Amino acid sequence: GESVGLHLPTLSVQEGDNSIINCAYSNSASDYFIWYKQESGKGPQFIIDIRSNMDKRQGQRVTVLLNKTVKHLSLQIAATQPGDSAVYFCAESPGQAGTALIFGKGTTLSVSS
Amino acid sequence: GAGVSQSPSNKVTEKGKDVELRCDPISGHTALYWYRQSLGQGLEFLIYFQGNSAPDKSGLPSDRFSAERTGGSVSTLTIQRTQQEDSAVYLCASSFPRSQRGARETQYFGPGTRLLVL
Repeated sequence: GESVGLHLPTLSVQEGDNSIINCAYSNSASDYFIWYKQESGKGPQFIIDIRSNMDKRQGQRVTVLLNKTVKHLSLQIAATQPGDSAVYFCAESPGQAGTALIFGKGTTLSVSS
Repeated sequence: GAGVSQSPSNKVTEKGKDVELRCDPISGHTALYWYRQSLGQGLEFLIYFQGNSAPDKSGLPSDRFSAERTGGSVSTLTIQRTQQEDSAVYLCASSFPRSQRGARETQYFGPGTRLLVL
């Protein structure tokens, strides 16, 4: 079936470390992927996106990598800060006009000082 | 302008009562989505509106759930005869239409309505 999953439900890192959050997707027709950050009590916040014609995209302290061969998506956060502590979701857009995003269950990132 | 807003932020109701949840999308966004998020879970798609097209209701879990969007802007999600399993956070998101060439269809979310059915 169509689903987006994350490899690890939780990730704990020290402040200043680099974090890597992984995501596997199953729909090879998906052509657009987004990472969201959700802090406690808030709605998901857009972090970075990538289209299927790219394999890497960089933002401020974040990088998204897309490997279409193995249907894998990752979010790298450089110099992780306590404020990065949140639940991170990847989402895929299955490639049909108007189709809602499909979300995974999320990875909880905990950053300790 | 402002982001997506939702009201109320919290709602406590008794089993069997009806509830209405409201969403104000970002100005200019013609696509509007409702999702449900249960505790510790990902987002479950409920319904999608795009302009004047018929909404995609494929995610609604039962006929107790309905939604409307008046004037192409504000949307209301109604849950009739609420059950305890309806307790969740209901999230609304808006975006430019996916079919619009060159537009980013990134969905921007509101803060959610936390519904508790006793």
